[in-house]
Amino acid sequence: DADVTQTPRNRITKTGKRIMLECSQTKGHDRMYWYRQDPGLGLRLIYYSFDVKDINKGEISDGYSVSRQAQAKFSLSLESAIPNQTALYFCATSDTDRGNQPQHFGDGTRLSIL
Amino acid sequence: QQQVKQSPQSLIVQKGGIPIINCAYENTAFDYFPWYQQFPGKGPALLIAIRPDVSEKKEGRFTISFNKSAKQFSLHIMDSQPGDSATYFCAAIIRGTSYGKLTFGQGTILTVHP
Repeated sequence: DADVTQTPRNRITKTGKRIMLECSQTKGHDRMYWYRQDPGLGLRLIYYSFDVKDINKGEISDGYSVSRQAQAKFSLSLESAIPNQTALYFCATSDTDRGNQPQHFGDGTRLSIL
Repeated sequence: QQQVKQSPQSLIVQKGGIPIINCAYENTAFDYFPWYQQFPGKGPALLIAIRPDVSEKKEGRFTISFNKSAKQFSLHIMDSQPGDSATYFCAAIIRGTSYGKLTFGQGTILTVHP
């Protein structure tokens, strides 16, 4: 079983819809992250959480929100999806006690907004 | 603002060649420089990493060269194989419990022909 599981793996939806991407982990890590990947831009941090009560904005948080439901679960929501949010989204985790490295990534959610 | 700049965007070599991927950073507070490897349909995974007090690190066929004064580092893949075909990301991080955020380069798509 994967240590970091993302659902769904693929999603096609329409402009204006609310979408939730879910991430769960079995690694027991405190820290969780959401990134988006776009060709030529690398991975950019959307939100991160250092523990259940701690949520922080990353470099591109506009249009997104997150919820840390438990140590093992971190979800990303697009309140009203727009086409330029079409991208590959990754969840990652890291262990505070090991200096936050490495980060362990899920296999991604490919999101297309029409 | 892209704090880590990576080049080239894509690279094609023949089997046995030595592809070189270069990265430059701006923030001198970065104190850990990992490289991640990503295969199609998968999330990035840590490949090799270096601290700025070391000028070179080798792990198998993969070598990082680090030039602190120039704020540059590079990945060399010796005797490249078709199985090395993947997207490679350099990254930088300020380790420690207060930070832990990775800044990624733009990525390099490497193709190794048989």
